Amino acid sequence: GAGVSQSPRYKVAKRGQDVALRCDPISGHVSLFWYQQALGQGPEFLTYFQNEAQLDKSGLPSDRFFAERPEGSVSTLKIQRTQQEDSAVYLCASSLVGDPEAFFGQGTRLTVV
Amino acid sequence: AQTVTQSQPEMSVQEAETVTLSCTYDTSESDYYLFWYKQPPSRQMILVIRQEAYKQQNATENRFSVNFQKAAKSFSLKISDSQLGDAAMYFCAIREWDMRFGAGTRLTVKP
Repeated sequence: GAGVSQSPRYKVAKRGQDVALRCDPISGHVSLFWYQQALGQGPEFLTYFQNEAQLDKSGLPSDRFFAERPEGSVSTLKIQRTQQEDSAVYLCASSLVGDPEAFFGQGTRLTVV
Repeated sequence: AQTVTQSQPEMSVQEAETVTLSCTYDTSESDYYLFWYKQPPSRQMILVIRQEAYKQQNATENRFSVNFQKAAKSFSLKISDSQLGDAAMYFCAIREWDMRFGAGTRLTVKP
C-alpha cells in the first residue's frame, strides 16, 4: 500500500480482555516502531524491530504487552488482560534502511471499559 | 536512551506572524537525526522538517526552519507567515537507532 496501515482504527475492549493491533508497514521498510500515545501527550516508545528481530522492547510497560513481526513485514501488538490505563492511541511507524525518516500510520484508538 | 524536552505545552501566534517552538534533547551519540513532526486532530503524524546532526547548516523547508545548536543540544522550529492550517500539535524527535519524542507543543493560530 501507499502508506502505513493500522487496523482496527478503533477498538473498545472490556477490562480483562485480550486485544491484538495490526500494523502493515510500507513495503520494503525494514524498521518498524510501536508507540503508545495518551491523550494530549507525546508518543511513548514501546518497541522497535529491524526486519523480524526485536532490537529494543524496553518501552513495553508490562509483561502483558507483546509485539511480534515474524516475517519481517506485518507486525502485531498484543495486550493481554487489558486494564483501563491501557486506553490510548497506539501508533505504528516504519522506515527504510539508511533513511531515518519514519512514516506513521493513523493509529488505533484503544478504549478499555 | 536519548530524551527530548519540549518546555512549551502551548503556544499561540497571530496569522501571518512568526512563532518559534523550543526543543532540547540529550544523547550520548555524536551521530543522530532530529525531526519536527506535526500532528493535526486527525492523528496522522506528518514530517515537517529534519536535520542531520553532522550538518552544521540549519535545515529549511519553505516557511519552516530550524535553529540547530549541537553543543547546546537545542533544536528549535521557526514557523514564518503562520497560516490557520499550521494549527496542530508539534513534536520534536530524535533518532539514533530508535526514535524518541518530546511531550509536544500545541500551536494555536489566531485569525
